Amino acid sequence: GIQVEQSPPDLILQEGANSTLRCNFSDSVNNLQWFHQNPWGQLINLFYIPSGTKQNGRLSATTVATERYSLLYISSSQTTDSGVYFCAVNNNAGNMLTFGGGTRLMVKP
Amino acid sequence: DAEITQSPRHKITETGRQVTLACHQTWNHNNMFWYRQDLGHGLRLIHYSYGVQDTNKGEVSDGYSVSRSNTEDLPLTLESAASSQTSVYFCASSEGTGTGGTQYFGPGTRLTVL
Repeated sequence: GIQVEQSPPDLILQEGANSTLRCNFSDSVNNLQWFHQNPWGQLINLFYIPSGTKQNGRLSATTVATERYSLLYISSSQTTDSGVYFCAVNNNAGNMLTFGGGTRLMVKP
Repeated sequence: DAEITQSPRHKITETGRQVTLACHQTWNHNNMFWYRQDLGHGLRLIHYSYGVQDTNKGEVSDGYSVSRSNTEDLPLTLESAASSQTSVYFCASSEGTGTGGTQYFGPGTRLTVL
């Protein structure tokens, strides 16, 4: 099956700093999503982005499908950005997602 | 507002017991999914459904079953709970067919099997 690798596995930032999280996948995809799992365990969908670029406030994402990677940018990080960020992809006709291992982000005040 | 709910939120049971976790969505989505999340393994797909009366096995389906009798609900049953099934379980739903669309997740159920 498709492999999904995320980097870095852990990241510590000072409040206000910017960061880039990366997701590499081993095959072509027709669905890619970024999620944030907050410290209470809730999974929040950030972006549905199988290709192209999207922005939502301080967050933006870019997927380069031909090169099999996606990037999540966090600007002016806040303590509430802490948690685990997951990339998930699908390369079948259905909507089954395969998740990467996640990037654990801690933003310090 | 449309939402997806899971119950119970926490459950402790004993080895060998049958356990059913409920998932209910009011999005009117065709697609529903069950995942488990474990340290070191991330989220893995257990079962999924693309509509009423449709169910399919995922990556880690052994010991689990689902049924889909209506659009809103996809209960997950552990036929004979094992300690290896201690985990956090997430239900999700999405609209559309084919490549589908955005998946929305419930709050999770933390299951402990003693």
